[in-house]
Amino acid sequence: RKEVEQDPGPFNVPEGATVAFNCTYSNSASQSFFWYRQDCRKEPKLLMSVYSSGNEDGRFTAQLNRASQYISLLIRDSKLSDSATYLCVVNMLNNAGNMLTFGGGTRLMVKP
Amino acid sequence: DTAVSQTPKYLVTQMGNDKSIKCEQNLGHDTMYWYKQDSKKFLKIMFSYNNKELIINETVPNRFSPKSPDKAHLNLHINSLELGDSAVYFCASSRRVGQGAFNEQYFGPGTRLTVT
Repeated sequence: RKEVEQDPGPFNVPEGATVAFNCTYSNSASQSFFWYRQDCRKEPKLLMSVYSSGNEDGRFTAQLNRASQYISLLIRDSKLSDSATYLCVVNMLNNAGNMLTFGGGTRLMVKP
Repeated sequence: DTAVSQTPKYLVTQMGNDKSIKCEQNLGHDTMYWYKQDSKKFLKIMFSYNNKELIINETVPNRFSPKSPDKAHLNLHINSLELGDSAVYFCASSRRVGQGAFNEQYFGPGTRLTVT
C-alpha cells in the first residue's frame, strides 16, 4: 500500500463547478498535512496547510479526519486557472528532519 | 528574486558519466532537500540536510551524494549515471524542524535529467 494515495484523475469539470479530491495516508504517526499544487512542467507550490479543525482559504476548503486517515480538498467555483495537479502531502516530523511524503497527485482540468 | 534556484535546467548525458546539479536558496533556511520526480510523476524525497545532519532515504543508491559548501547551497552529485536516473530532480528548502508548526518547503524549478 502506498503511503499517500490519491485518485490520479483526471477530473474534467466545467468552469464554476465544485470539485472535491480525497487522499488517504497509511502512517498514523503523520503530524502535518498539506495540499500542494503543481502546474505542468513546474515545481510544486504550497496551496494550503490542512488543520485538524478544517480550514478555508477563499474558494478552497481542506478537511482532515485523523481517525480515518483521510484528507480532502474542495474547490468551489472552479476557474480555468485551477487546472493543475493537486498533491496531497503528509509530514512525519522526527528527530532527523522534515520529510514530506507526496501522493501521486490528482489532475484537474477545468473546461470553459 | 528567485527563492530557490537550480542549475542546469536541462541536463542530457550518457550512461556512465558523472554529473552534478547545483541548488541555492536565498531564504535563509536551515534545511535543504532533494526530491526525484519520475516519469509517473511520483515525487520522492532523496535527502534532507541541515548543517548538523544528513538524512538519506534508504532507497537512494549510493551513487547519489549531496554536498553542501554552505547553508545556502546543496548540490547533488551523481556518479555512473544509469538510464533509470532519468527524471526531474527538485531541490527544496525550509526552516529547521521545530521553528514552526508547519515548515513549508519551497521548491526550485527542477532539473530535467535525461540519460541516454
